[in-house]
Amino acid sequence: DVKVTQSSRYLVKRTGEKVFLECVQDMDHENMFWYRQDPGLGLRLIYFSYDVKMKEKGDIPEGYSVSREKKERFSLILESASTNQTSMYLCASRGFGLGANVLTFGAGSRLTVL
Amino acid sequence: KNEVEQSPQNLTAQEGEFITINCSYSVGISALHWLQQHPGGGIVSLFMLSSGKKKHGRLIATINIQEKHSSLHITASHPRDSAVYICAPSNSGYALNFGKGTSLLVTP
Repeated sequence: DVKVTQSSRYLVKRTGEKVFLECVQDMDHENMFWYRQDPGLGLRLIYFSYDVKMKEKGDIPEGYSVSREKKERFSLILESASTNQTSMYLCASRGFGLGANVLTFGAGSRLTVL
Repeated sequence: KNEVEQSPQNLTAQEGEFITINCSYSVGISALHWLQQHPGGGIVSLFMLSSGKKKHGRLIATINIQEKHSSLHITASHPRDSAVYICAPSNSGYALNFGKGTSLLVTP
C-alpha cells in the first residue's frame, strides 16, 4: 500500500514562528499536494507539485511556501505563523501508471498558532 | 479550475436506508475519486472511477463522463457509514479539486 507520512500529528506554535510541515511518500508518485481543512470550507489547495522542483500555487498560497527537492518529500513552510493559519493540514500524493490513478492522503497535521 | 458541486451537503438516514450522494463537475476529467473521512479521522480513498460503475461491498459508484456527473450509493446503510464523503475529479497534470463534501449521519 502507498504510504504518505506527515511528520507531526499535532503542533502548537507561537505567532511569528517559522513552521515546517513535512510529507513523505513511498511510492514514487509524481504529484504531491498540500491542503488545509477547515470546518464548513472543505479541503482547500495551498500548493501542489507535479514533480521534483516543480511547484504551483493553489487557491490559498498566501503566507505559505513549499519545497520539493526530492521526489518523495514535499514540505510546507509557514514563514511567519499567524493565528488564522490554525488548521488541519493534509498532504496527498497521486501517481499514474499501469492505468491506475492512485490517490493517498496522510493522516494530517493539526496546527495551533497561539 | 474544475468547479465541483456535491449534493446534498448534509444527510440523515435511518439504518437500512438506501443513500445516494451526487457530484457534478465542470471540466472533463480522466478519473474521479470518492473519498471518506470519519469524524476526527484521516481521508481514505473508496473508489477511483474512469467510466461506468464500481462496487465494493455495500458501496456502489457510478460515473457518466459525458454528463460530468457521478453518484455514490450506499445500500443497507449502517451507523458506521456515518462520515463525510468527498468527490474529487482528477486530471493528470492538473491540481486536484474537491467538492465540499456530504456529511452523512446514519441513525440506528
